[in-house]
Amino acid sequence: VTVVESGGGWVQPGGSLRLSCAPSGFSFGAFSMNWIRQAPGKGLEWVSLISRNGDTHYTDSVKGRFTVSRDNSKGTLFLQMDNVRADDTAVYYCARSTRITLIAAALTSWGQGTRVTVSS
Amino acid sequence: EIVLTQSPDFQSVTAKEKVTITCRASQSIDTSLHWYQQKPGQAPKLIIKFAYQSLSGVPSRFSGSGSGTDFALTINGLEAEDVATYYCHQSSAFPNTFGQGSKLEIK
Repeated sequence: VTVVESGGGWVQPGGSLRLSCAPSGFSFGAFSMNWIRQAPGKGLEWVSLISRNGDTHYTDSVKGRFTVSRDNSKGTLFLQMDNVRADDTAVYYCARSTRITLIAAALTSWGQGTRVTVSS
Repeated sequence: EIVLTQSPDFQSVTAKEKVTITCRASQSIDTSLHWYQQKPGQAPKLIIKFAYQSLSGVPSRFSGSGSGTDFALTINGLEAEDVATYYCHQSSAFPNTFGQGSKLEIK
């Protein structure tokens, strides 16, 4: 299994960024996919999940600003980040849920992450 | 939101010592509790799923226990390669949440 996140970089407060995640080595369309972030020197924070059917869930701090989506035909996961804030600065990881039969489960097949820096 | 509280935040242990990290949930989550190991500069790695289920490729010295609100990760005989920060994670309800992390160091 290989997971590659991309799209990170520097963005000003209030700006937008679109992250991508392209896993390979498993049947992408069969599993829920998650975004998790880690601010510099801090712990892990679950950000969002999209089920294989497209149902979405978010942590409260990003609701209304971030949008998760997926293209099962291309095997790619996205995170559209709008109206970003300084506290969105973090490494963003994508990971797969472990069970097909559950929307949410343990997280496996983590990528190496993509770094997002929000600063003026 | 379900809050996960880990203990201890930091522990310095000798090699071959038995280590236990606990994770307490603010409400019952049955066994929807998972453990991850994160070494410096690396992505997290799943080491125990659904409270006690082991994973292929994870050394047998790692084990998990608990249900409801109280959980534990045990390392039977710490090795130098186990130096890392360990996180618990609940998938029982949205938003999913993580514990604050427990950092292990070798004396």
